[in-house]
Amino acid sequence: SAVISQKPSRDICQRGTSLTIQCQVDSQVTMMFWYRQQPGQSLTLIATANQGSEATYESGFVIDKFPISRPNLTFSTLTVSNMSPEDSSIYLCSVDGLAGVTDTQYFGPGTRLTVL
Amino acid sequence: GNSVTQMEGPVTLSEEAFLTINCTYTATGYPSLFWYVQYPGEGLQLLLKATKADDKGSNKGFEATYRKETTSFHLEKGSVQVSDSAVYFCALSASGGSYIPTFGRGTSLIVHP
Repeated sequence: SAVISQKPSRDICQRGTSLTIQCQVDSQVTMMFWYRQQPGQSLTLIATANQGSEATYESGFVIDKFPISRPNLTFSTLTVSNMSPEDSSIYLCSVDGLAGVTDTQYFGPGTRLTVL
Repeated sequence: GNSVTQMEGPVTLSEEAFLTINCTYTATGYPSLFWYVQYPGEGLQLLLKATKADDKGSNKGFEATYRKETTSFHLEKGSVQVSDSAVYFCALSASGGSYIPTFGRGTSLIVHP
């Protein structure tokens, strides 16, 4: 199966700063997604990262706060902008379309963000 | 809309005990069903899946059977180990769409030696 990596694995940031999280897949995939998992909670989809076009955001998430790039079929970034303590969460990227299987998502290891 | 309901945790068991984590769903059509596991400090890993009624998914001693008549996908393991301590998420992805999954709230499993 494909390897999905994320950088950084964790970070502690100051209020008002921004952090960019990278997601790299070792094979081309159709779809890439970004999720947030707040402490003790389930996953919430932030957006679908579209290759070559603007990301599709879910209700409650906006591009100014969470800009996303997807320059090719193996890489995406999520930026958490102007952070506040409420942004402290695990951020996960996921992919589907691996080996032609389109109904299953596979997740990266996550980025644990703490905002002070 | 689609939804997934899991039993509340934490579930606390002794090593070698039998495990059941209940999961029921609401969906239109014929969704695919999944169990994901999140070990402490890690991301989600796909544990098993089933794509049609009466299919049984299995992996690492865990099993779950797609029961359309009861809209359930309960996770079972005959003999749990301390290393199975994790949070387990039930999920579905609906057919005919973009396959973005709907997740349950997660059930924490704690296994004591």
